[in-house]
Amino acid sequence: NAGVTQTPKFQVLKTGQSMTLQCAQDMNHNSMYWYRQDPGMGLRLIYYSASEGTTDKGEVPNGYNVSRLNKREFSLRLESAAPSQTSVYFCASSVDRASSSPLHFGNGTRLTVT
Amino acid sequence: QKEVEQDPGPLSVPEGAIVSLNCTYSNSAFQYFMWYRQYSRKGPELLMYTYSSGNKEDGRFTAQVDKSSKYISLFIRDSQPSDSATYLCAMSGNQAGTALIFGKGTTLSVSS
Repeated sequence: NAGVTQTPKFQVLKTGQSMTLQCAQDMNHNSMYWYRQDPGMGLRLIYYSASEGTTDKGEVPNGYNVSRLNKREFSLRLESAAPSQTSVYFCASSVDRASSSPLHFGNGTRLTVT
Repeated sequence: QKEVEQDPGPLSVPEGAIVSLNCTYSNSAFQYFMWYRQYSRKGPELLMYTYSSGNKEDGRFTAQVDKSSKYISLFIRDSQPSDSATYLCAMSGNQAGTALIFGKGTTLSVSS
């Protein structure tokens, strides 16, 4: 059982380049999330998708777009990467958006923007 | 005042020690309390989950919630080198769609 799978694991971009981070879950969860984790800042929610067909902004959405491709997949796109977007990105999923649903995380994508 | 405060550490203990990790919070509406463990270069994994006040025990781990003091704790008994990780507290309220709020994590190192 793979859980939440993220690709790629590592990426280096130049300022202004674009890329898409991929995420897939095999737990039949309805809700999916993208977080970034920075030293001293903790986990910050970028975007989430409560259910297939819906997406909403989180705490730090600027510079990002998302697509909920189907129930399993949720992608995060950086249209024009900036050094401030250097971070570790985690995708997570949960049964639903009920506050009682714990999150299940992937192992992250480590992105460096030069 | 931040919603969730967690001492980042680092906390270093010898093998076999009892470890106490803590978070304080300001939002009295929080009802669900979780502890996640994050190994280096891995994603957070759910370790303990409690609802409202009280204690919950799972093996060497005990989660404690004191809502009157807005304070939660994670105790690790007989700590092992494999417990070396960053521990993040997380909490949310009762309303559907309420965001899960994370602490910034405490880094623990257990030496053999």
